[in-house]
Amino acid sequence: GESVGLHLPTLSVQEGDNSIINCAYSNSASDYFIWYKQESGKGPQFIIDIRSNMDKRQGQRVTVLLNKTVKHLSLQIAATQPGDSAVYFCARGNSGGYQKVTFGTGTKLQVIP
Amino acid sequence: GAVVSQHPSWVICKSGTSVKIECRSLDFQATTMFWYRQFPKQSLMLMATSNEGSKATYEQGVEKDKFLINHASLTLSTLTVTSAHPEDSSFYICSARALAGNAGTQYFGPGTRLTVL
Repeated sequence: GESVGLHLPTLSVQEGDNSIINCAYSNSASDYFIWYKQESGKGPQFIIDIRSNMDKRQGQRVTVLLNKTVKHLSLQIAATQPGDSAVYFCARGNSGGYQKVTFGTGTKLQVIP
Repeated sequence: GAVVSQHPSWVICKSGTSVKIECRSLDFQATTMFWYRQFPKQSLMLMATSNEGSKATYEQGVEKDKFLINHASLTLSTLTVTSAHPEDSSFYICSARALAGNAGTQYFGPGTRLTVL
């Protein structure tokens, strides 16, 4: 079946260090992969996405890497800050049809001051 | 940036009653809106896809007669939980997709916390 899953449920990182959140996927038919940040009691917030024909994309303090060979996606956060503490979801999207987004299970990032 | 609002932000109701949740795109038009449900410490599960002027498409296992969706305009979709029961208690989140762009341009609302007593 189609799924997007995460390796680790919780990640603790010292403030100022870099964070790496990993995600594995099983369906290769996705057009996009997306990372969302969800703070407690709030809706998901778009962070960055990457098309399936790319292997790297950079944003402000974030980098997403896509390895299609091993079906692995990662989100790297540079100089992690307390405000980065949240649950991070990887998700896949399709550009056809209604562009549904399927979410993975989430990783909780805890930033230690 | 694009803003999606939900109303109410939280609601408590008695078992057997119906609850309506509104999702609005405030500064853009959305032909497609999505409704998700999220249980504590779990991921978002897509319930249905709502298109303006047409019937919603429900995901497998979601009862369309229990979760009524109406998408009457390009800026408003509503989800009505009919005859709510305690197991329907959850965090309901909508998202709206702008007319152009890829899946990354799906904007999420702040969510509605439903508690059924």
